[in-house]
Amino acid sequence: ETGVTQSPTHLIKTRGQQVTLRCSSQSGHNTVSWYQQALGQGPQFIFQYYREEENGRGNFPPRFSGLQFPNYSSELNVNALELDDSALYLCASSYGTPGEGGELFFGEGSRLTVL
Amino acid sequence: GQNIDQPTEMTATEGAIVQINCTYQTSGFNGLFWYQQHAGEAPTFLSYNVLDGLEEKGRFSSFLSRSKGYSYLLLKELQMKDSASYLCAVSDYKLSFGAGTTVTVRA
Repeated sequence: ETGVTQSPTHLIKTRGQQVTLRCSSQSGHNTVSWYQQALGQGPQFIFQYYREEENGRGNFPPRFSGLQFPNYSSELNVNALELDDSALYLCASSYGTPGEGGELFFGEGSRLTVL
Repeated sequence: GQNIDQPTEMTATEGAIVQINCTYQTSGFNGLFWYQQHAGEAPTFLSYNVLDGLEEKGRFSSFLSRSKGYSYLLLKELQMKDSASYLCAVSDYKLSFGAGTTVTVRA
């Protein structure tokens, strides 16, 4: 167990709705990143936060947004949900970024189904 | 951008050895990670290579050639519990993952 916890574990939404996913980082970690994993695919980078500032973003539209709080917990918000947003959303925390050799510790993920 | 390729599936027998290859073409490179992911679970860290050569960790070894854009993960003495997806990921400030290789270990 990595110490990264995510909630909720499963949820079902309908098209057009909004969703907020939450992540509690492992103690001592100052970087959190979010990934989207579609079935049968590898995780795709959404964005990364370091000390409450976004410091990198993948190829996702602005309706994907996030926050990192002073205690290094984080939220992922998705507005105007589309069917293709159905996926496993993984939160990962690290001390430093992967570019600095920081190992990512992943949570168990939040599985979102959009109907 | 990042382009990372690895085989989709591999099957091997318990006790055997399997080598999972990964090739990459990237705009930035600070190292290569391998993660294991069991179905329905989070990815877990296996190895990290930043310099060329072989890193050995128990039954798992990982190799990197930066000039060739190539890495492999070697799984020895396969056990049934090694049945999982293995993800190759290249790091710059983030991780860029391949689609994963599903390894099935048969008795």
